Parts: sequence; C-alpha cells; structure tokens
Amino acid sequence: AQSVTQLDSQVPVFEEAPVELRCNYSSSVSVYLFWYVQYPNQGLQLLLKYLSGSTLVKGINGFEAEFNKSQTSFHLRKPSVHISDTAEYFCAVSALRDDKIIFGKGTRLHILP
Amino acid sequence: DTAVSQTPKYLVTQMGNDKSIKCEQNLGHDTMYWYKQDSKKFLKIMFSYNNKELIINETVPNRFSPKSPDKAHLNLHINSLELGDSAVYFCASSQGGYQYFGPGTRLTVT
Repeated sequence: AQSVTQLDSQVPVFEEAPVELRCNYSSSVSVYLFWYVQYPNQGLQLLLKYLSGSTLVKGINGFEAEFNKSQTSFHLRKPSVHISDTAEYFCAVSALRDDKIIFGKGTRLHILP
Repeated sequence: DTAVSQTPKYLVTQMGNDKSIKCEQNLGHDTMYWYKQDSKKFLKIMFSYNNKELIINETVPNRFSPKSPDKAHLNLHINSLELGDSAVYFCASSQGGYQYFGPGTRLTVT
C-alpha cells in the first residue's frame, strides 16, 4: 500500500519569496507522483506529475518538483510566489498501473503581502 | 467545454432525506471516481468505476450507492442522510495515470 505525508499543514511566505512544500511518500512498488492545487471554493487542478524519465518536473504557474527516490520525496518549489498562489496544495501517489490515488492531507500556502 | 461536471454545486437538505449528485465527463475516459473532502480538507476515495463496472469500493456506508449508466456518467445516491455526510464531494475521471476533477458538490445536512 502507498501513503503520503505532507509535513506542513500551513506555510506562510511573503510575496515574491521562494517556497518549498514538502512531500514524502511510502511504497513497496514503483509509483506515479502528483501535485494538485485547490483554489478557494474550487475543485482540484493538476499542477504537475512524475510518471517516469527526468526527475525534475515542471508544471503550470511556474511550479516544479523533484522526484528523489532515495529520500522518497517529491517536494514542490516555486522561486517567487504571487498572491494568486494562495491555495491548498495536495501531494498524491499511485502505484503504477493502479488507478487508485492516495492524497496527502494538504498544505495551505498563505501568501503574506 | 467543461471536462468533468457535477450537479448540483450546492445541496442543503435535512437529516433522513435521500439525495443524488450527478457527474458527467466528456473526456472519453474509462475510469471515474467519487471522493469525499471533509471539513479539514482531507480527501478520501469512495468509489471507482471502470467502463461501468465497480472496481474500488472503500469502506463507505451502504447508504451510499454509486450508479454508472454509461462510462461518461457516474452518479452518487445517498440514502438516509446524516449530519456526518456534510462534506464536499468530488467526481473525477482518469486515463493514463492521472485524474481530472470536477468542481465539487458541497453537501450540507441540517
């Protein structure tokens, strides 16, 4: 079985500062990894995904994440955040060829003016 | 064009009532899901259907019954609603390893 741990429930950061949202996963098999974003009162939108290949994955809105197999991590980064990045961010994992996705508990990104 | 749509967006009802939430996807995906998001934003899968067949059924009370009339639709019917059923319910569809989510239905049971 797979599991996901998002270490921070909330991350406050000043506008235009860099941010890293941490995610660690556990699995006995190879996995796909995802980051989803949920803006206030909206559904979930796929930010980026790691399926295979390059461990550095670029997503929408200037976000990127790096898959680190030895540390079982998939941290999300952005070099300069904007007020519009205020949202809940979910890390998720699924086993290869398995449609079931397990979500972390989410990290609320709070942008300070 | 909306890829995954849900109706209604908001649903307020009293305990004991029966209600349904509808979901439709126009992406041609084979697999559809229902998730429940509680007040703490925790997302948990409830059901998954592949080509109208149930493939995932997590520990969900049998008051919840999904129905898939065709592979583009997955509806959720809830009997005898309880206060604890209040949540946001998301429909999703997938093909190729990642999921597209609908906008959610906020269910409030009073």
